[in-house]
Amino acid sequence: QTVVTQEPSLSVSPGGTVTLTCGLSSGSVSTTYYPSWYQQTPGQAPRTLIYSTSTRSSGVPERFSGSILGNKAALTITGAQADDDSDYYCVLYMLGGIRVFGTGTKVTVL
Amino acid sequence: EVQLVESGGGLVQPGRSLRLSCAASGFTFDDYAMHWVRQAPGKGLEWVSGISWNSGSIGYADSVKGRFTISRDNAKNSLYLQMNSLRAEDTALYYCVKDSRMTITADYSHFDYWGQGTLVTVSS
Repeated sequence: QTVVTQEPSLSVSPGGTVTLTCGLSSGSVSTTYYPSWYQQTPGQAPRTLIYSTSTRSSGVPERFSGSILGNKAALTITGAQADDDSDYYCVLYMLGGIRVFGTGTKVTVL
Repeated sequence: EVQLVESGGGLVQPGRSLRLSCAASGFTFDDYAMHWVRQAPGKGLEWVSGISWNSGSIGYADSVKGRFTISRDNAKNSLYLQMNSLRAEDTALYYCVKDSRMTITADYSHFDYWGQGTLVTVSS
């Protein structure tokens, strides 16, 4: 069974930079997995941030960027703001259209 | 404006069945694939199932395969999830999610709009 791993928690100072990663239990993440990233604040439905590795969804601030770093997908927040304090999930596209969510990262801005 | 409104959740005993519905509006429903994603209380997101625009491609997570059935009625702009043999671990908020493409197997496919969810509680 495929496991997609993320850091359980990360913290960042206001105005700082933080990078979240999304890896596979076996193998490397590449652009062919079309990694996407979603932000969820407590009690709310998720919001789409990034798709196809690095494309920002409509209305998403430029401080959010996506990339491949080494063998993982990555989401970088540059110039973190208080309302970036949220949970973040990556999703990988698998064979046959199956999707697998990452374990999620709780980002604290303090 | 895209709207996805889920319904059909509730309290159900283990082993019983439940059918979820999702009413879609604000876009051409039969131009897009659709998905169900769930979130157990205090836990992360889990993809459950996806269906292409014409029901030609369907996929399920291993955790629900053989118990859950996804379907759609394009004439009614509606998505469904038939859940049988429910277990306590199926307790979750179930989200209806729109895909960006027509098929679940399309390149560059991703989730672009989410409903607010309907809560399913499996307990005796």
